[in-house]
Amino acid sequence: QKEVEQNSGPLSVPEGAIASLNCTYSDRGSQSFFWYRQYSGKSPELIMSIYSNGDKEDGRFTAQLNKASQYVSLLIRDSQPSDSATYLCAAPNGGSYIPTFGRGTSLIVHP
Amino acid sequence: ETGVTQSPTHLIKTRGQQVTLRCSSQSGHNTVSWYQQALGQGPQFIFQYYREEENGRGNFPPRFSGLQFPNYSSELNVNALELDDSALYLCASSHPPGQNTGELFFGEGSRLTVL
Repeated sequence: QKEVEQNSGPLSVPEGAIASLNCTYSDRGSQSFFWYRQYSGKSPELIMSIYSNGDKEDGRFTAQLNKASQYVSLLIRDSQPSDSATYLCAAPNGGSYIPTFGRGTSLIVHP
Repeated sequence: ETGVTQSPTHLIKTRGQQVTLRCSSQSGHNTVSWYQQALGQGPQFIFQYYREEENGRGNFPPRFSGLQFPNYSSELNVNALELDDSALYLCASSHPPGQNTGELFFGEGSRLTVL
């Protein structure tokens, strides 16, 4: 069973700080990686995708991928209370385009 | 552009009953996936439909079954409900396999409670 692992948290950061969310995956064949944000009681919403080693920035969000270490992370700069949510990491297994999800990391941004 | 819609949003059933959940995919998407999300867990893949055929299945028993219709909408059927089936059931649409990188577009989900 190919796995995607995340620390369930909660990760608590003060408003304005950088939140760092981490994810590891077991399938070296995975080629694409996704971060979804899920507010309590709502469905997941795609916020970032990354396909190549290195960093990808989109506004306050930066996704980082290291395929050699099988590690993907999400940085949220200038964290806001509205960023408080569960962040899900997802990766399709090699040869598939059907994502496997981690259990999610709960982020709490306090004023 | 019409997003993914699911119905019903909430429902309560008793053990042993059967349930049907419905999903309309986002316009332009002909692939539909169903996920089960238990409280505090990540979504677990149930199955995917493409061109009205099952195109992948997760580790769920046969009492979980599905359909896709010519208009790409889909149903998830669960027979002989068990207490552990209580969860949020998520439908997600995506681009067809040749154009798909794994990005999913989720509906708001159907919250099933089994008593």
